[in-house]
Amino acid sequence: DQQVKQNSPSLSVQEGRISILNCDYTNSMFDYFLWYKKYPAEGPTFLISISSIKDKNEDGRFTVFLNKSAKHLSLHIVPSQPGDSAVYFCAAWYNTPLVFGKGTRLSVIA
Amino acid sequence: NAGVTQTPKFQVLKTGQSMTLQCAQDMNHEYMSWYRQDPGMGLRLIHYSVGAGITDQGEVPNGYNVSRSTTEDFPLRLLSAAPSQTSVYFCASSYSYRKGPGEKLFFGSGTQLSVL
Repeated sequence: DQQVKQNSPSLSVQEGRISILNCDYTNSMFDYFLWYKKYPAEGPTFLISISSIKDKNEDGRFTVFLNKSAKHLSLHIVPSQPGDSAVYFCAAWYNTPLVFGKGTRLSVIA
Repeated sequence: NAGVTQTPKFQVLKTGQSMTLQCAQDMNHEYMSWYRQDPGMGLRLIHYSVGAGITDQGEVPNGYNVSRSTTEDFPLRLLSAAPSQTSVYFCASSYSYRKGPGEKLFFGSGTQLSVL
C-alpha cells in the first residue's frame, strides 16, 4: 500500500499565481518530510523540508505546511515562475529509507 | 565537487544481456541507494547500503544485485536484463540515514536503460 500519496499527477498554474502541491501520508510514524524537484533528464534535487514538530517552514518563495492530524502536507510556491515547471516529489522519513510519492508535474504558463 | 556520478547516461540492452550501472560519490557519504523511475510510478527503491559491506533490499529488488566494497562506489548489476527493467535509474547518497531527521539525499543525473 502506498504510504505517501500525491493524488494529482499534474497541475497547471499561470505565472505569478500561487501553486499548491499536495501530499498525503498514511504512516503516523513519519517524522520528517521533504520535497524534491526534478527537471527532465536530471536527477531530483532537494527543495525544502519540515520536521513533524513544526507546522510550517519557509524558504523564499517556497513554503511547506504540515497538518499532522490530517496526515497531509502541502507545498506552496508564490509567485510561480516558468522556471518552476518540473515534477515535484513528496518524501517521508522515519528511520528507514526515504519513501517517495509518485510526483506531481507542475506547469507554469507564462 | 562531482557529487554523485552515474555512468553510463544511456544504455540499450537485448533481453538476457547483463550489465552494471556504475555509481560513485565523492562526499564520503555513508548511505547509498538505487531508485528506478517509471511513468506514473514515482521513485521506487531497489537496493540500499548503509555502509561498506552492508546492503539491503528495497521495494523492487528482483532482477538486481548490488555490492558495496568501498564507501565511494555502489554498482547496480542486472544479471539477465528483461524488458520490464526498461526505466530511468537514479543513484542517491546521503551522509547517514541514521543521523536523524533532516538527512537529505543527493541524486545522480540518471541512467536511461532500454531493454529490447
